[in-house]
Amino acid sequence: GQNIDQPTEMTATEGAIVQINCTYQTSGFNGLFWYQQHAGEAPTFLSYNVLDGLEEKGRFSSFLSRSKGYSYLLLKELQMKDSASYLCAVMDSNYQLIWGAGTKLIIKP
Amino acid sequence: GAVVSQHPSWVICKSGTSVKIECRSLDFQATTMFWYRQFPKQSLMLMATSNEGSKATYEQGVEKDKFLINHASLTLSTLTVTSAHPEDSSFYICSARGLRDYEQYFGPGTRLTVT
Repeated sequence: GQNIDQPTEMTATEGAIVQINCTYQTSGFNGLFWYQQHAGEAPTFLSYNVLDGLEEKGRFSSFLSRSKGYSYLLLKELQMKDSASYLCAVMDSNYQLIWGAGTKLIIKP
Repeated sequence: GAVVSQHPSWVICKSGTSVKIECRSLDFQATTMFWYRQFPKQSLMLMATSNEGSKATYEQGVEKDKFLINHASLTLSTLTVTSAHPEDSSFYICSARGLRDYEQYFGPGTRLTVT
């Protein structure tokens, strides 16, 4: 079966760094996505990785290892507005997104 | 960038009535759109894949006669929740596939409350 695993909840301090991990097992692979979702809102796109390695985009970076079925999202210089759920999703061989349950990130002052 | 709109953004209806939700791609043509449902504190659940000009493909466990999907044009897909019940209350989100297969753009979501 297809499976995406990520921690349910994480807590971090404003100004710090946090890494949210995601492991996956899917039928085929056409890329891994990270989305941010604030409560009551639709997901917004953060990153897309299809090749191994690190993609950096401002305060956010995303890493992928296809051989390990593993990705992480790294958030630096955390701000209170970063409090949200972070969703890991893998696009399978049919170009359908398989979603993780999301990681709720709580930022404390 | 690609923009997807949904209408209405929220709706309250009485049990037994039907509700239509529209999903539009505003500045691009979308041959494929997706309908998701999200219950509180849960992840997105794909309900169906909607292809322009053909019947939608429903995920296992989703009743096609209850959740009617119409993708009549390259910029519009509609989801009609028929004979709504309180357990249908949820956040419904659509997304549209862009030019590249891996591109997917999300609408802002529609919150449905059935009383």
